[in-house]
Amino acid sequence: KQEVTQIPAALSVPEGENLVLNCSFTDSAIYNLQWFRQDPGKGLTSLLLIQSSQREQTSGRLNASLDKSSGRSTLYIAASQPGDSATYLCAALATGNQFYFGTGTSLTVIP
Amino acid sequence: ETGVTQSPTHLIKTRGQQVTLRCSSQSGHNTVSWYQQALGQGPQFIFQYYREEENGRGNFPPRFSGLQFPNYSSELNVNALELDDSALYLCASSLPGRVTEAFFGQGTRLTVV
Repeated sequence: KQEVTQIPAALSVPEGENLVLNCSFTDSAIYNLQWFRQDPGKGLTSLLLIQSSQREQTSGRLNASLDKSSGRSTLYIAASQPGDSATYLCAALATGNQFYFGTGTSLTVIP
Repeated sequence: ETGVTQSPTHLIKTRGQQVTLRCSSQSGHNTVSWYQQALGQGPQFIFQYYREEENGRGNFPPRFSGLQFPNYSSELNVNALELDDSALYLCASSLPGRVTEAFFGQGTRLTVV
């Protein structure tokens, strides 16, 4: 069964820092990997989608990479801002057409 | 283009009751999935509907059931509510296939007392 782990569980950084969030998955047979942002009590906002044949995707200050062979993905956030404070979830789309989610990294950017 | 919308946003039910949650998919998306997110956890897959048929199911009991309508909107029904059913219920829509992006609604917060 696919298991997704996110490290760290929580992260606090001063504004302006670059940071990396980590996601690992146990079964490399994934169709794609998607990163989401979740504000407290809210739904999920899609940030980046990486298809299984791709190595990375970029959108503005965000860059996500995927290494299927090692079962890892990273989300890089450049020049962090207080508005980036949220929980970040990674999800691997795999067998059964379902997303397997990690428990998220709670990010706080301190002004 | 409208996004994924869910109703209601909040709901309080008593143990043993039944509840129906609704989801309107993003324009043009014919695949709808439902997830349950307990507090502090990642979302867990309940089931997926494609062209009005169930197209995959997670590890949830039969009292969790669903429907998809010809306009691709969907319902999640939960019978015999238990306290542990208290959670945020999320709906996601996408185009068919394994390389398409999924878009989530804002969720329905269900509290069972």
